[in-house]
Amino acid sequence: DGGITQSPKYLFRKEGQNVTLSCEQNLNHDAMYWYRQDPGQGLRLIYYSQIVNDFQKGDIAEGYSVSREKKESFPLTVTSAQKNPTAFYLCASSIRTLNEQFFGPGTRLTVL
Amino acid sequence: AQSVTQLDSHVSVSEGTPVLLRCNYSSSYSPSLFWYVQHPNKGLQLLLKYTSAATLVKGINGFEAEFKKSETSFHLTKPSAHMSDAAEYFCVVSAPRGSTGGGNKLTFGTGTQLKVEL
Repeated sequence: DGGITQSPKYLFRKEGQNVTLSCEQNLNHDAMYWYRQDPGQGLRLIYYSQIVNDFQKGDIAEGYSVSREKKESFPLTVTSAQKNPTAFYLCASSIRTLNEQFFGPGTRLTVL
Repeated sequence: AQSVTQLDSHVSVSEGTPVLLRCNYSSSYSPSLFWYVQHPNKGLQLLLKYTSAATLVKGINGFEAEFKKSETSFHLTKPSAHMSDAAEYFCVVSAPRGSTGGGNKLTFGTGTQLKVEL
């Protein structure tokens, strides 16, 4: 059963702590993406990766970091430098960056 | 540069009546266009896509959209709304990233919340 999984579904963090969100896909897609969604706004791109061991900043990369050591995994770390991290985070993948993207179920991060 | 405007932030219809969700776009390139649906606290699901083939695109769950280049529009329609259609809908334009990087860049609209009433 192919798809994209994100964990955890809900995550709570204290101010000043780093936290890592997991994203795994078994679709054999080359490209993976991280988006942030805030109420009343569209999705905004944080980072994307077109191939293993390569990634690029999106529109709002400040305060975030990623790695792409394996084709199927693209974890996102929200660092303490991110001033307003409370949001819904969505991971997506596509065969190549020219194709439509498939989304995971999301992780809701709340900073206490 | 590219942009997407969803003309209504909220749309309310009665069950069994037609649905119209409006989307206008701008793009320097010949774009691909998508509609995605999102149910509360869920990921986005692709409803349909336009990639320069037929201008009338049929998607899942009875939805369809028509690409009108002269009007730069890609409105989403459904003849008869069902309670399960209540969700948020996003219009998305995809175009080459160009000098800022490889591949395509997706630009999302701000979403239209569809409410279906009995």
